[in-house]
Amino acid sequence: NAGVTQTPKFRVLKTGQSMTLLCAQDMNHEYMYWYRQDPGMGLRLIHYSVGEGTTAKGEVPDGYNVSRLKKQNFLLGLESAAPSQTSVYFCASNPTGSYGYTFGSGTRLTVV
Amino acid sequence: KNQVEQSPQSLIILEGKNCTLQCNYTVSPFSNLRWYKQDTGRGPVSLTIMTFSENTKSNGRYTATLDADTKQSSLHITASQLSDSASYICVGEGGATNKLIFGTGTLLAVQP
Repeated sequence: NAGVTQTPKFRVLKTGQSMTLLCAQDMNHEYMYWYRQDPGMGLRLIHYSVGEGTTAKGEVPDGYNVSRLKKQNFLLGLESAAPSQTSVYFCASNPTGSYGYTFGSGTRLTVV
Repeated sequence: KNQVEQSPQSLIILEGKNCTLQCNYTVSPFSNLRWYKQDTGRGPVSLTIMTFSENTKSNGRYTATLDADTKQSSLHITASQLSDSASYICVGEGGATNKLIFGTGTLLAVQP
């Protein structure tokens, strides 16, 4: 039982490049989330999904897009990366939308 | 504005000693208060979750308290171990959309 798996673990992008971060969970959770963690700040919610085929904006959604085509996968896309998107990105899943959050190990993204 | 503030920002203690971390929260409406442990390079892992009706909860050597009247919480670590070195994050759940509101964390270093 792997829990929540994020790929890649590290990535360096040039300004303007695009990329997709993959989050996969094997716990059959309905809810999935993407957060970013920056120095001196708490985790901030980017986008989330309450079930397959659904997505919704969080606190800091600008510059990101998401898709949830399959229940187990939640993709975070950066269409045109900017240095301000340098951060550590965490995916999380939850069976009910409240208790029982499970976080992935994170993706460290640097945009130069 | 919903927010969670933690103190101190960082703390160094000797192995075997006890310590207490503090959290003040402003979350309305309030659902629950959580403490997470985040090891370097890993995602947050839940330690305790308390609703407004609970004033203490333990998880091994970790004991969390909650005062819903003063909107304060604390995390007490007993007989610290080197493996307790991590960031401890206080998180309130609530607000208009019932989401997690993260503090910036207390970075604890346990030295031999």
